[in-house]
Amino acid sequence: GAVVSQHPSWVICKSGTSVKIECRSLDFQATTMFWYRQFPKQSLMLMATSNEGSKATYEQGVEKDKFLINHASLTLSTLTVTSAHPEDSSFYICSAGETRQPSLGFGPGTRLTVL
Amino acid sequence: QKEVEQDPGPLSVPEGAIVSLNCTYSNSAFQYFMWYRQYSRKGPELLMYTYSSGNKEDGRFTAQVDKSSKYISLFIRDSQPSDSATYLCAMRGGNEKLTFGTGTRLTIIP
Repeated sequence: GAVVSQHPSWVICKSGTSVKIECRSLDFQATTMFWYRQFPKQSLMLMATSNEGSKATYEQGVEKDKFLINHASLTLSTLTVTSAHPEDSSFYICSAGETRQPSLGFGPGTRLTVL
Repeated sequence: QKEVEQDPGPLSVPEGAIVSLNCTYSNSAFQYFMWYRQYSRKGPELLMYTYSSGNKEDGRFTAQVDKSSKYISLFIRDSQPSDSATYLCAMRGGNEKLTFGTGTRLTIIP
């Protein structure tokens, strides 16, 4: 169980454009989804927590207007990086869980490169 | 002080050796303890999870939790080159938010 997919797996975009990343739970309904970013050789840094049908909760230092999160259904959450800049280049990973499931499934990640 | 401390390594051991990976934590509210394996440029893959103190074994992997010492371990027996990856400990309390260690880079030398 706890299978999570992400799309796209990699994306290259020009500075100033917006990029949308999708996260889907495939075999369960995810009441909560998490978005992380990971820099090379570093651990996962939690960006925000999204609950279906409500606004996302952002971690300190994460710009909510830059990283737009929409959790429209129990199986889909999206992260939109708006007006992307080269410093936004990173590996973005989502995870999904449900209240009674103590461990979370992780997506395979999306590598974003902003030129 | 970080909530979860993990030696980043790198750790290199010969094939067939027993590997010991460890994390310490400071938050007494943590109840669920997990180990994830992450290959380069991939998402983390859940290896083991345990609830509260005790041991759990799955094949070549054994997870141990000692809540009194706030210390968790992952042992890998008969290590294989395919075990080379970064291992992340993670833990959570009553909500679903995970707190991760920094990860230990492990290399198994054939």
